Amino acid sequence: NAGVTQTPKFQVLKTGQSMTLQCAQDMNHEYMSWYRQDPGMGLRLIHYSVGAGITDQGEVPNGYNVSRSTTEDFPLRLLSAAPSQTSVYFCASSLGQGKEGYTFGSGTRLTVV
Amino acid sequence: AQRVTQPEKLLSVFKGAPVELKCNYSYSGSPELFWYVQYSRQRLQLLLRHISRESIKGFTADLNKGETSFHLKKPFAQEEDSAMYYCALYNFNKFYFGSGTKLNVKP
Repeated sequence: NAGVTQTPKFQVLKTGQSMTLQCAQDMNHEYMSWYRQDPGMGLRLIHYSVGAGITDQGEVPNGYNVSRSTTEDFPLRLLSAAPSQTSVYFCASSLGQGKEGYTFGSGTRLTVV
Repeated sequence: AQRVTQPEKLLSVFKGAPVELKCNYSYSGSPELFWYVQYSRQRLQLLLRHISRESIKGFTADLNKGETSFHLKKPFAQEEDSAMYYCALYNFNKFYFGSGTKLNVKP
């Protein structure tokens, strides 16, 4: 039981490049979400999904896309990377609607130069 | 609108001293509140939920609706408690996190 797995752990992108951050969970959790963590700002919700085929926007969705084709996977796509997207990205999952609390992945540290 | 405020960015205490990490929230309904902890180079972990009224690693937190607070307390801090602590409010599929407080427990 691996929990929530994020890849890659580190990534450096050039401005304008695109990439996909991967997130997979093996706990059959319906609810998955993506957060970014920035110093002094805590964690901010980017996108979330309450089940396969259903996604919705969080607080800071601009510049990011998501899809949820399976229960297990919830990739986050950066369409055209900008320096403002330099951050640590966390994927999280939860049984049900999240009321039981999240299980977090180990994070992806992204630097956009 | 939902908002979670953690007024202290950094809290330094000596080992054995009491600790209180402050969390205030704004929310019009009945809040569901959580504390998460992130140890150095580790992922965030759920520490406790107000609804379960549990004590984890000696930490407790009481919801005070009158003061709209959910402060995290421990009577005797240990060096291994040094970490980043986040207060979070749950509302309909979303968690709203505070900006976090770094706890530094000195020997």
